[in-house]
Amino acid sequence: AQSVTQPDIHITVSEGASLELRCNYSYGATPYLFWYVQSPGQGLQLLLKYFSGDTLVQGIKGFEAEFKRSQSSFNLRKPSVHWSDAAEYFCAVAYTGTASKLTFGTGTRLQVTL
Amino acid sequence: EADIYQTPRYLVIGTGKKITLECSQTMGHDKMYWYQQDPGMELHLIHYSYGVNSTEKGDLSSESTVSRIRTEHFPLTLESARPSHTSQYLCASSEYIGQGGSPLHFGNGTRLTVT
Repeated sequence: AQSVTQPDIHITVSEGASLELRCNYSYGATPYLFWYVQSPGQGLQLLLKYFSGDTLVQGIKGFEAEFKRSQSSFNLRKPSVHWSDAAEYFCAVAYTGTASKLTFGTGTRLQVTL
Repeated sequence: EADIYQTPRYLVIGTGKKITLECSQTMGHDKMYWYQQDPGMELHLIHYSYGVNSTEKGDLSSESTVSRIRTEHFPLTLESARPSHTSQYLCASSEYIGQGGSPLHFGNGTRLTVT
């Protein structure tokens, strides 16, 4: 069964510092990978997605993620974090033939200190 | 911004009551989903639908039921609520783009508390 691992439950960074959130997925021939962000009391908002092509994908709010097939990873990065980035971040994966059923990781809670 | 709406946002109800969580989307998406989310846990798919009159159970067993009579509407019903049903319920929709790979658009969720 497809699975996603987000090894960091909670991360704290200072405003202006760089950020990397880790995500590893179970091996699959053609993974579709997503990062979502969830602010308190809200639903999930899509940050970016990878389907194919360039392994470095750009998303909204200055985020980017790099797909590394050899490491089964899809880490999320941002060069300079803003206080408004504090939220819960979810990595998700789907595979060809799973009819868009996404499997989510347990999430990483980002705290930003001023 | 995705146009998918869930009501109510918060619901506190006693054990044994029947409840329906509403979900509507105005994007004309064929696929709709219900996820259950507990604090610190991943989202678990409990129901999904490929279109009108199509419903399937998800990966997580749930005592709830769903219906899809109209494309835009995908309500979730609990016939007899129990404290174990206390959770956040998130509705989502997506376009059909081949096999897999369609981003989900989420509503803001319904936080259900059963006392």
